[in-house]
Formats: sequence, structure tokens, C-alpha cells
Amino acid sequence: QVQLLESGGGVVQPGRSLRLSCGASGFTFRNFGMHWVRQPPGKGLEWVAVISYDGTKYYADSVKGRFTISRDNSKNTLYLEMNSLKPEDTAVYFCAKDMIGFFDYWGQGTLVAVSS
Amino acid sequence: DIVMTQSPATLSVSPGERATLSCRASQSVSSNLAWYQQKPGQAPRLLIYGASTRATGIPARFSGRGSGTEFTLTISSLQSEDFAVYYCQPYNNWPPFTFGPGTKVDIK
Repeated sequence: QVQLLESGGGVVQPGRSLRLSCGASGFTFRNFGMHWVRQPPGKGLEWVAVISYDGTKYYADSVKGRFTISRDNSKNTLYLEMNSLKPEDTAVYFCAKDMIGFFDYWGQGTLVAVSS
Repeated sequence: DIVMTQSPATLSVSPGERATLSCRASQSVSSNLAWYQQKPGQAPRLLIYGASTRATGIPARFSGRGSGTEFTLTISSLQSEDFAVYYCQPYNNWPPFTFGPGTKVDIK
């Protein structure tokens, strides 16, 4: 069965960096696009970034230039490098598997809190 | 970018009753619409894609209809485990990927 497991969240000061990881299993990772989606406390879902199976990347305007999505197909792992973090980046970050534009499987999420 | 609206924001329903949730797109998305269910403290779960196709393992009491700009998700007879927040998501034209603001279904 498909499993996605995020890690790397925590409390970080504004302006600092953090790297999230998402380990995947149960499917052929290299054949699918992967997303990061976040959810601020008590709010709705916000798409962050996607990396396609061939490495093409897209970002939400709110994170463009600060966040970098990447993948290591040899390790079945998705990453999100987050730089210049702001308090408004505080959220639970989910990784999700792409199915031609929608998200068919989600990880359990990892909390990132940006606070001084 | 496509803007999604969902109504109502909160729907109070008694167990066993029918619930109908609405989702509207600012421009046509054809049938490229998905619905997700999210319970407190959990990840979203895919319910419906292609506006009307149930995802693997989703009970038949969940049904989706619509095309273009108007969509509905119906839960025919609410079970206790169905009380949650429901989001719609268009996927005809991306990036960016967007979500509706959600409808919370709670116990009446």
C-alpha cells in the first residue's frame, strides 16, 4: 500500500532555514509527480510546490525564490528546502502523490512553526 | 487563477440524514474536480475525482455531480465518521493548484 512519511519539521526562528523530507513506499516513486501542500493552524489547504516525474518544478507565488522542491529517486524521497522562513510559513506540511493534477495519497504531515 | 467557493461554510446535519455540499469555480474546469475529506488532526483523503468517480475504498454513500463551474458532493446518509471538513479542488489548468475554502459538516 502507498505510504508517505514526512519528517524534519520543528520550531525555527524567522529568517532561518529548514529541510523537510518525505519518504515514499508502495508505488514506483520515479514515475509520479509529488507535491507539498501546507495548512496553517485552523485554516484551509494551500498548495506549495510540485515536482514532476521528469524533474519539472512549479511553486506557489508565496514561496517562490525561498523554497526549493527536489527529489532523490534512488532513495524514494521528496524534499522541501525552506529558506528565509517567515511567521506566515507556520503550518502543517503534507507531501502528496500526484495523479494527473489531483492528490491521491497524502502523508500525515509535519508541523513547521516559525517564531522568535 | 481559478477561484473556488464552497457553500455553506458549515452544515449541521443529524446522523442518517442527507448532506449536500456545493462547490463553484470562477471559470469552467470541465469535469476536472476532486473532493477531499479531512478529519481533525488527520491528512486529507481523496474521495472523488473526475467530478463523479469515487476513489478506491470510498463508500457508495458519497457521490459527486457537476461539470463546468457547478459541482455538488452528496453524502446520502451521514455516518458518525463522516463529520469532517470537505474541500474541492480543480485540476484542469495548473499551476497553481487551488483548493476551495472548505465546508465543515458537523453534528446537529
